[in-house]
Amino acid sequence: AQKITQTQPGMFVQEKEAVTLDCTYDTSDQSYGLFWYKQPSSGEMIFLIYQGSYDEQNATEGRYSLNFQKARKSANLVISASQLGDSAMYFCAMRAMNTGFQKLVFGTGTRLLVSP
Amino acid sequence: DTAVSQTPKYLVTQMGNDKSIKCEQNLGHDTMYWYKQDSKKFLKIMFSYNNKELIINETVPNRFSPKSPDKAHLNLHINSLELGDSAVYFCASSRDTTEAFFGQGTRLTVV
Repeated sequence: AQKITQTQPGMFVQEKEAVTLDCTYDTSDQSYGLFWYKQPSSGEMIFLIYQGSYDEQNATEGRYSLNFQKARKSANLVISASQLGDSAMYFCAMRAMNTGFQKLVFGTGTRLLVSP
Repeated sequence: DTAVSQTPKYLVTQMGNDKSIKCEQNLGHDTMYWYKQDSKKFLKIMFSYNNKELIINETVPNRFSPKSPDKAHLNLHINSLELGDSAVYFCASSRDTTEAFFGQGTRLTVV
């Protein structure tokens, strides 16, 4: 079974600063993927970034980067140069990759508020 | 062109009614899902279909019945709606183990 833990219910950051959203996971699978999604107040789920368990480099997508520490089982999302539009709920998720058709398991989310 | 579209966006209905939510994806994905997001924003898988075949059915009451007429469509029918069914329901699709793309969600309110 997989489990995702997001311990920060809410985070505040000032515009243009960087912020780290924490995510730890637990799994017995050797091959897995880690994902981050953004959910703005409008409600849609937006895929941000993906990290495979065998990827040696940390994933980056524009202002988003994933700080992957396999030994610590953590997959923190770093948002650089925060913008007002980054205010949203952020969900960490994981999926086993050793067999097909595995479900995405989500954490409880972190609400990020970016202030001017 | 919306990649994953679900209708309706809002659904308000009385207890005991039967309702359906439709979902279509134009991404050519072979796996589709239904997720439920509760009032605390927690997202939980309900069903997953691969090539029209049910592959995941997480302890969901029998009142919920998914139907996949083809690879691009996965509908959700709910019988005898209860107050506790009020939530946001998301349809999603993916290729096997890649990221899932979500629809805009259907906010179901049972009164």
